[in-house]
Amino acid sequence: KAGVTQTPRYLIKTRGQQVTLSCSPISGHRSVSWYQQTPGQGLQFLFEYFSETQRNKGNFPGRFSGRQFSNSRSEMNVSTLELGDSALYLCASRTGVSVGGYTFGSGTRLTVV
Amino acid sequence: AQSVTQPDIHITVSEGASLELRCNYSYGATPYLFWYVQSPGQGLQLLLKYFSGDTLVQGIKGFEAEFKRSQSSFNLRKPSVHWSDAAEYFCVVGPVGGSQGNLIFGKGTKLSVKP
Repeated sequence: KAGVTQTPRYLIKTRGQQVTLSCSPISGHRSVSWYQQTPGQGLQFLFEYFSETQRNKGNFPGRFSGRQFSNSRSEMNVSTLELGDSALYLCASRTGVSVGGYTFGSGTRLTVV
Repeated sequence: AQSVTQPDIHITVSEGASLELRCNYSYGATPYLFWYVQSPGQGLQLLLKYFSGDTLVQGIKGFEAEFKRSQSSFNLRKPSVHWSDAAEYFCVVGPVGGSQGNLIFGKGTKLSVKP
C-alpha cells in the first residue's frame, strides 16, 4: 500500500512569508501528527489531528497551525516565517485508536532565508 | 517529565563488528518504546517496538533491543554491522499520556561504519 506522502519535498521561503505543507496519510489512517526536526532541538512534536480535530498540541507559538480534511489529509501552516523555522518537517500517520503503528513520511525540508 | 536520553552522539564501528546503541528513558509507567532509523535526507523507518511481554525484541535488518525495567534502558544491538547501517538512530517513548499522546524522541546517535 502507498506510504505517507509529504509535499513539497523542498521549499525555500523568505522571512516574513507564510508557508503551507501537505501530508497525505496511509489509506485508512485517521491520525496525522507533525514533528519539527532541527540539528539543535532534535525532533519536537507540533500537533496531532484525528478525524479533523486537533487532539494534542506541542509547545510551539501560534504561528504554527494545522488542519485536517475529511479524507484525513493534513496541512500545516507557518505564518510570519523566521530564520529559526528552517527545519525538516515530518508527518506521521496511524490509525489513531491504538498505540503505535506510526508511519513517517520523507519530510519537507523548509529553508527560510 | 518524560524524557529519553541517548548518551552517544556519534559512534563509529568497523563493518562486521557488533553494535550496541544505548538508550535510557524516564517515564512514570510502563513505557511504549521504539527504535527508528533515519538515512540522510529521509524520513524515519521503524526498526522495532516494545509494548509488553518478552523483554528481548526482534526487529528488521537484524536488529534487536532489550528492555530492562530496573535500568530504565532499551538498548539496540546488532551482532554484525553492514556498511548500509550507517544512519542516525532514534530511541523513542510514547505515546505519552495514552493513545492520544505524542512521541518523545531522543537526540539520536549517528552511526558511521568503517570499511
